Amino acid sequence: ETGVTQTPRHLVMGMTNKKSLKCEQHLGHNAMYWYKQSAKKPLELMFVYNFKEQTENNSVPSRFSPECPNSSHLFLHLHTLQPEDSALYLCASSQDGAGGTDTQYFGPGTRLTVL
Amino acid sequence: AQSVTQLDSHVSVSEGTPVLLRCNYSSSYSPSLFWYVQHPNKGLQLLLKYTSAATLVKGINGFEAEFKKSETSFHLTKPSAHMSDAAEYFCVVSDRGDKLSFGAGTTVTVRA
Repeated sequence: ETGVTQTPRHLVMGMTNKKSLKCEQHLGHNAMYWYKQSAKKPLELMFVYNFKEQTENNSVPSRFSPECPNSSHLFLHLHTLQPEDSALYLCASSQDGAGGTDTQYFGPGTRLTVL
Repeated sequence: AQSVTQLDSHVSVSEGTPVLLRCNYSSSYSPSLFWYVQHPNKGLQLLLKYTSAATLVKGINGFEAEFKKSETSFHLTKPSAHMSDAAEYFCVVSDRGDKLSFGAGTTVTVRA
């Protein structure tokens, strides 16, 4: 787990709050990802960044705003969330996000609860 | 288009007995296939991956999986379950390196 770290591990917020999730990878990778894991549902890809450029936005509502200042850091800014946004948010990284054989390495996740 | 179906949502085994987790995939290309494990309150850990080399893939912790193109399957096995194997397991397919499709997961419980 030390390869990809996420903070905070747990977050409780109200619907009017603004908060940010942070992900950092120490693997020298160039691609980073945000996933949402809800109970009883498959993991949903939210965003992909390759060399700091966003290459995928999987129809995510605008109340989720990603930021990738460099290849090692990825943020997910949250504002005016809904209770159905409560989930485990997972960050992952891979070498370069291409080639078909790239392995993604996951962080431990942030457990988000929206009241 | 790519997708994966995990045929069992829950598998219960006795410690020391074999484990079989079934996965079928659909892919338009020659896919990469992965199995990940997630222990409670933890992130996903890669168990093994198939990338068009040997069809029998060995992973960590004694797990292995066999790629069968004719059956579009990638089942995960372990000859002898350990209590620490209790977790959720995800079968994953990728046509492209940056986009993974996850199965719904199989929860494994191990009885003492």
